[in-house]
Amino acid sequence: TQLLEQSPQFLSIQEGENLTVYCNSSSVFSSLQWYRQEPGEGPVLLVTVVTGGEVKKLKRLTFQFGDARKDSSLHITAAQPGDTGLYLCAGDRYGNKLVFGAGTILRVKS
Amino acid sequence: KAGVTQTPRYLIKTRGQQVTLSCSPISGHRSVSWYQQTPGQGLQFLFEYFSETQRNKGNFPGRFSGRQFSNSRSEMNVSTLELGDSALYLCASSPIAAPVKNEQFFGPGTRLTVL
Repeated sequence: TQLLEQSPQFLSIQEGENLTVYCNSSSVFSSLQWYRQEPGEGPVLLVTVVTGGEVKKLKRLTFQFGDARKDSSLHITAAQPGDTGLYLCAGDRYGNKLVFGAGTILRVKS
Repeated sequence: KAGVTQTPRYLIKTRGQQVTLSCSPISGHRSVSWYQQTPGQGLQFLFEYFSETQRNKGNFPGRFSGRQFSNSRSEMNVSTLELGDSALYLCASSPIAAPVKNEQFFGPGTRLTVL
C-alpha cells in the first residue's frame, strides 16, 4: 500500500485543456513537494508547500496543500506540450525519509 | 552551480556480479540520498548520508550499501546482483539534513541493467 496515493495514474489531454492531479494520504506531512521528471532525467523540484491550506503558483501551475496537511493538488491551466512528463508528489514526515507517490504520467498533445 | 552528477550513466551487468555507482552532490550540499526507480515500484528510498554518516535507511536488503566521503561525494554498492535490481538509480543532494523541508536536487541517474 502506497503511503501517498496519486491520481490519476495517466492523463492524456489536448493542448489548452486544464487538469488536476491529486496526492492523498492518511498521514500528516510536515511538508509536501512536487517534482516533474522527463524521460532519461532525474526529477526536478517544482515547489514545496509547508503550511496547511497554502497555495503556490508557478506560472500556469497552481499547487495547494490541504488544511490538515494530508493531501495536495496540482492544477495546470491551459496545458502545453512542454508540460508533458511524470509528476511526482513527495511527503516529508518530520525529518524522516521522503515518501514518493507512484506518479502521474501526463501527455499533452498538440 | 553545477548540478548533481552521477557516473556511469548506463551500466550492464550479469547476475551475481557487484556494482558501484558514484554521485557528486551540488557544491555545499552535505546530504546525499539514493533512490531506486522502477516502473512497478516507483521511486523507493534507499538511504541518506550526512557528514559521512548514514542517517536514514529504506527497506532494502543488505546487498545494498553506501558510503559518503569527507568531500560529500557518495557511492552506493550493490553486491550479488539480481535481475530485479535492474532500475534507474538516482542520487539527490540537499543543502542541509532533514528535518527542514528536505528538498531534493536529483542527478540524471544511472540506468543499471542486470542480465
